[in-house]
Amino acid sequence: GAVVSQHPSWVICKSGTSVKIECRSLDFQATTMFWYRQFPKQSLMLMATSNEGSKATYEQGVEKDKFLINHASLTLSTLTVTSAHPEDSSFYICSARTGANQPQHFGDGTRLSIL
Amino acid sequence: GQNIDQPTEMTATEGAIVQINCTYQTSGFNGLFWYQQHAGEAPTFLSYNVLDGLEEKGRFSSFLSRSKGYSYLLLKELQMKDSASYLCAVRDQAGANNLFFGTGTRLTVIP
Repeated sequence: GAVVSQHPSWVICKSGTSVKIECRSLDFQATTMFWYRQFPKQSLMLMATSNEGSKATYEQGVEKDKFLINHASLTLSTLTVTSAHPEDSSFYICSARTGANQPQHFGDGTRLSIL
Repeated sequence: GQNIDQPTEMTATEGAIVQINCTYQTSGFNGLFWYQQHAGEAPTFLSYNVLDGLEEKGRFSSFLSRSKGYSYLLLKELQMKDSASYLCAVRDQAGANNLFFGTGTRLTVIP
């Protein structure tokens, strides 16, 4: 149980394009999902907390207009990187938990490369 | 702010025991988690401590002392496949119970 699916797993695109990443909880409902970013040899940095049916809560320093988060249902959250630039190239990982005091389970991550 | 410290790298021999330490200073505390992350992959959940003491799960054990802000992950009977990064993460009580991660400890298991 507690499977989180993330798609796509790898994206390469040109600078200036927008990229959408999907995160799905396959066998449970997740009122809260989390989006992380990880640069090479660094730890996971929380970008935002995605709440079903309401606005996401962004961490300090993360641009809301650049990283659009939508949590339209209890099993799906999307992260859209708008007008992506090479410095946005990173490993983006989502996670979800089955309940408030349960561990987070991670998707497989999306490796984003902006040329 | 949140401060979580782990050693950057460790090396251990196949079949041996290794202990990875984690110290933390956070504004709130609602549990400490250990995750394993292989290069290029997402983290996988290993263990969870919310009360003081030792939690054992097969070859992996995790210990917590809340008064000392200290935890360790113990790996027994090391196997080559245990070579990975081990992430210590603390969940705070504020807001949405976010997880704050340490920088991770890169463990290399040698024959």
